[in-house]
Amino acid sequence: EAGVAQSPRYKIIEKRQSVAFWCNPISGHATLYWYQQILGQGPKLLIQFQNNGVVDDSQLPKDRFSAERLKGVDSTLKIQPAKLEDSAVYLCASSLLGKMNTEAFFGQGTRLTVV
Amino acid sequence: AQTVTQSQPEMSVQEAETVTLSCTYDTSENNYYLFWYKQPPSRQMILVIRQEAYKQQNATENRFSVNFQKAAKSFSLKISDSQLGDTAMYFCAFSRAQIKAAGNKLTFGGGTRVLVKP
Repeated sequence: EAGVAQSPRYKIIEKRQSVAFWCNPISGHATLYWYQQILGQGPKLLIQFQNNGVVDDSQLPKDRFSAERLKGVDSTLKIQPAKLEDSAVYLCASSLLGKMNTEAFFGQGTRLTVV
Repeated sequence: AQTVTQSQPEMSVQEAETVTLSCTYDTSENNYYLFWYKQPPSRQMILVIRQEAYKQQNATENRFSVNFQKAAKSFSLKISDSQLGDTAMYFCAFSRAQIKAAGNKLTFGGGTRVLVKP
């Protein structure tokens, strides 16, 4: 079974530029998460999708971050414009829907450096 | 809101010995799940072990076991017979027990770096 795929693995941009990350969850997983992991910290949830609907985006900085999940499968996370403090690893995860607290499977993340 | 605290930034252990990682959490929920995740340099989070709060028996997965103290809101991880491949960051995480997806998000602690020395 293929895992959660993310691209790119690394990205370096200048502040005020825009950037987009892509995630392909495990086939059949209805729930998709984007987490932000700043160096030296634990991951923090940015947004959670159930199929193509948003379940929780309470910690998403909506003035600069946006995310979508087209057709309930792939997802993209965009930052525009980027700030220095956005430097972090962006992790995508997916899980099955319908069973209580099923395991979330994570991708390898995208490391973003804003200079 | 739930919080998860890991008070040990870094732990080192000799190969084949035992190390215990601490985790405390705060919640008003009565039913929930606790997890330990391993994050090697590849950055991919890997589930190590899971504990359901309504189960009194401590979870065990091969060389990994937990000591779950619900009243004290404590959830420690013991790694026995440590191996070089155990070197990684370890994160404690909390999730509410919900059938619907809205409750499944993970709240992570700050992590503990484990270094296994040969």
